Amino acid sequence: AAGVIQSPRHLIKEKRETATLKCYPIPRHDTVYWYQQGPGQDPQFLISFYEKMQSDKGSIPDRFSAQQFSDYHSELNMSSLELGDSALYFCASSPQGRETQYFGPGTRLLVL
Amino acid sequence: SQQGEEDPQALSIQEGENATMNCSYKTSINNLQWYRQNSGRGLVHLILIRSNEREKHSGRLRVTLDTSKKSSSLLITASRAADTASYFCATDRDFGNEKLTFGTGTRLTIIP
Repeated sequence: AAGVIQSPRHLIKEKRETATLKCYPIPRHDTVYWYQQGPGQDPQFLISFYEKMQSDKGSIPDRFSAQQFSDYHSELNMSSLELGDSALYFCASSPQGRETQYFGPGTRLLVL
Repeated sequence: SQQGEEDPQALSIQEGENATMNCSYKTSINNLQWYRQNSGRGLVHLILIRSNEREKHSGRLRVTLDTSKKSSSLLITASRAADTASYFCATDRDFGNEKLTFGTGTRLTIIP
């Protein structure tokens, strides 16, 4: 069965650079969520989209923005990267009205 | 902010024994889910229990939910080396698509 696809899987950036993370949800899933997991931490919700509209917002820095496109894939744009942004970034998807979220393998971002 | 606390934070048992992990949360919930995460990798959905359910089984997994105590437990019976992972509980508050709030996780190690 198709799973959530995230790219890239690994990313190394310098401070103050920008990064774009991509997420391709499971086919026919119209809701996408982004989570950030710092080293040894639990995942923290960043933002979600339903039918290309932002549906909820969590602890997402103003330096980050995200959107969902017409094909339901989503991108998380991160600017002015800081050392503390180093983390695993997960995307999850779910079909409307279903509670289970299916997670992608994550993008490991390292900011030097 | 963190919704759940998990107990214990780390657990080591012999292969074949049962493992029990507990999760407490603070606010009212719609559902509680358990996820497994192998080291630095994606989150795998294990089981979902609704707020009006008290117990649920899936294979070697048994989940209980006590909404009066705002707590849940995950029991893995007849543990295997492949069960070595971190286990997180996650709650959502509203029906349908809603962000997950994760607990701190229990690191389970199965000793062969």
